[in-house]
Amino acid sequence: DSGVTQTPKHLITATGQRVTLRCSPRSGDLSVYWYQQSLDQGLQFLIHYYNGEERAKGNILERFSAQQFPDLHSELNLSSLELGDSALYFCASSEASLNTGELFFGEGSRLTVL
Amino acid sequence: KNEVEQSPQNLTAQEGEFITINCSYSVGISALHWLQQHPGGGIVSLFMLSSGKKKHGRLIATINIQEKHSSLHITASHPRDSAVYICAVSSPSGTYKYIFGTGTRLKVLA
Repeated sequence: DSGVTQTPKHLITATGQRVTLRCSPRSGDLSVYWYQQSLDQGLQFLIHYYNGEERAKGNILERFSAQQFPDLHSELNLSSLELGDSALYFCASSEASLNTGELFFGEGSRLTVL
Repeated sequence: KNEVEQSPQNLTAQEGEFITINCSYSVGISALHWLQQHPGGGIVSLFMLSSGKKKHGRLIATINIQEKHSSLHITASHPRDSAVYICAVSSPSGTYKYIFGTGTRLKVLA
């Protein structure tokens, strides 16, 4: 158990809908990273938060947004969903603000858009 | 060319075999990570190393900074080791960025 909790584990929805994925980082970790993994693809960086502030953005679509709350949990909002958004979405946490820390991953949220 | 390359892409082994997975990178790094992704999808951090060698149970990770190369070894492999093994690097140093390899899919047969 990495200590990182992601919900929901599985989500099936229709095109055009909006979903929210939630991540609770490991106790004491201030950094939260979101990654997307499409079928048989590598991990694609979406966004990084540290202690409530957005620190970096990757290839995150405008239809996607995220935030990190004062209690350090984070939410990734995906809207106007398309078939191509079907993927595994991972949250990872780290104690470090930069890439000097070890990453601890959640189990992922598997999104299926029909 | 990817900044992090893994080989082989796929590997099938018999139970008990010694397994080596390789990772080469072309950028400067502050650390290298080995991750294991289970068939169910979850990702576990196995090692983070910046020099030398680390061992945990039947897993051994080594890194050669000069040659920009790392290896993950599994001794006495077991079917439960079947997973995708991902190499990632912290690069550039002092940023948020982790660069991931595309993974090595290992299947260990009983």
